[in-house]
Amino acid sequence: GENVEQHPSTLSVQEGDSAVIKCTYSDSASNYFPWYKQELGKRPQLIIDIRSNVGEKKDQRIAVTLNKTAKHFSLHITETQPEDSAVYFCAATTNAGKSTFGDGTTLTVKP
Amino acid sequence: EAGVAQSPRYKIIEKRQSVAFWCNPISGHATLYWYQQILGQGPKLLIQFQNNGVVDDSQLPKDRFSAERLKGVDSTLKIQPAKLEDSAVYLCASTRDTSYEQYFGPGTRLTVT
Repeated sequence: GENVEQHPSTLSVQEGDSAVIKCTYSDSASNYFPWYKQELGKRPQLIIDIRSNVGEKKDQRIAVTLNKTAKHFSLHITETQPEDSAVYFCAATTNAGKSTFGDGTTLTVKP
Repeated sequence: EAGVAQSPRYKIIEKRQSVAFWCNPISGHATLYWYQQILGQGPKLLIQFQNNGVVDDSQLPKDRFSAERLKGVDSTLKIQPAKLEDSAVYLCASTRDTSYEQYFGPGTRLTVT
């Protein structure tokens, strides 16, 4: 089955700095890669996603890149703000809609 | 549109007891997922339904867990008997037929003592 590894498990940055979280996946059949933000005690919320036919996608301060050949994808957050502090999860999804999640990255943005 | 609804929000039971969770997906969403999220980990898929049929239940511990979606709308997940290691948040999610984007419910936090 699919295996998704996510790094780092914790990340601390100063407000205004950039943050990068990386994930690798194993199943070449995965073709959709969402990123979720989960605040303490809340449900996961989709923040950005990318399909396998696209190499990069950007939405304001958030961007995702995908390298299908190497089977890895990354989340980039620029100009971080304290409200970006949360746990971020990557996932790899097959065309059957089955998602495998990474174990999360706890991002702390220090004011 | 109304979001994914789940109940109860919290449940505390003793080991070997039974428990059931309920999920009502967003109207019109054909695919429904149940996930188990243990503290400090990502959600782990337990079962995926397409309408009232099971698409994937390969990670469902079938000796104690069961799930159904009889009319292709709401769903129940049951644990019988519960073990200490079942303590987790149980998340329900749904998607439209034409999208991979999953909408999550608020989850049910289960504590087994």
